[in-house]
Amino acid sequence: DAGITQSPRHKVTETGTPVTLRCHQTENHRYMYWYRQDPGHGLRLIHYSYGVKDTDKGEVSDGYSVSRSKTEDFLLTLESATSSQTSVYFCAISGQINYGYTFGSGTRLTVV
Amino acid sequence: QQPVQSPQAVILREGEDAVINCSSSKALYSVHWYRQKHGEAPVFLMILLKGGEQKGHEKISASFNEKKQQSSLYLTASQLSYSGTYFCGTESGGNNDMRFGAGTRLTVKP
Repeated sequence: DAGITQSPRHKVTETGTPVTLRCHQTENHRYMYWYRQDPGHGLRLIHYSYGVKDTDKGEVSDGYSVSRSKTEDFLLTLESATSSQTSVYFCAISGQINYGYTFGSGTRLTVV
Repeated sequence: QQPVQSPQAVILREGEDAVINCSSSKALYSVHWYRQKHGEAPVFLMILLKGGEQKGHEKISASFNEKKQQSSLYLTASQLSYSGTYFCGTESGGNNDMRFGAGTRLTVKP
């Protein structure tokens, strides 16, 4: 999607290894989000950021950490990947409160 | 807490209407609606803010009843392109952190 890119698009990793997913935006938006999408659960918020170095936990944050050292980049790290973290991960951005979100194309992560 | 959507799935013929409901157990500041096609990212449709307004987008409109903590999405004269999964997202705390419902799969057949 224009203005927001996620990398990698697909990844297979082994249980117990650390994994970092990257979200990069060129819109200079303040808010950035990480969601995971699983069948039957819709999109669940992992972590979000409301500015550089300002982050907060979402509803499913256990086992995940994030960092935002620049406005344009929001990194999601799985500290020690588990099979339950196999999912599609979406990053989203928003310019301000009460604005719609723009989602990235997603990262399909498989933990074996 | 995630909002609750109903129905989980609906099948329509072209030209028919549908309503998708979204309810929350918490007071709401805003409700968002998104559509996701298979294998793609969710796409923003509209946002409704506290105040009970109704908004429209082509033949898709929505209402927001803040007293009942509910929103409904109305799809009229459905087209094949309306097929996909519809998600409502609700924001309760004023922190711009949105929670999504589990989705409603809409299938429009010729």
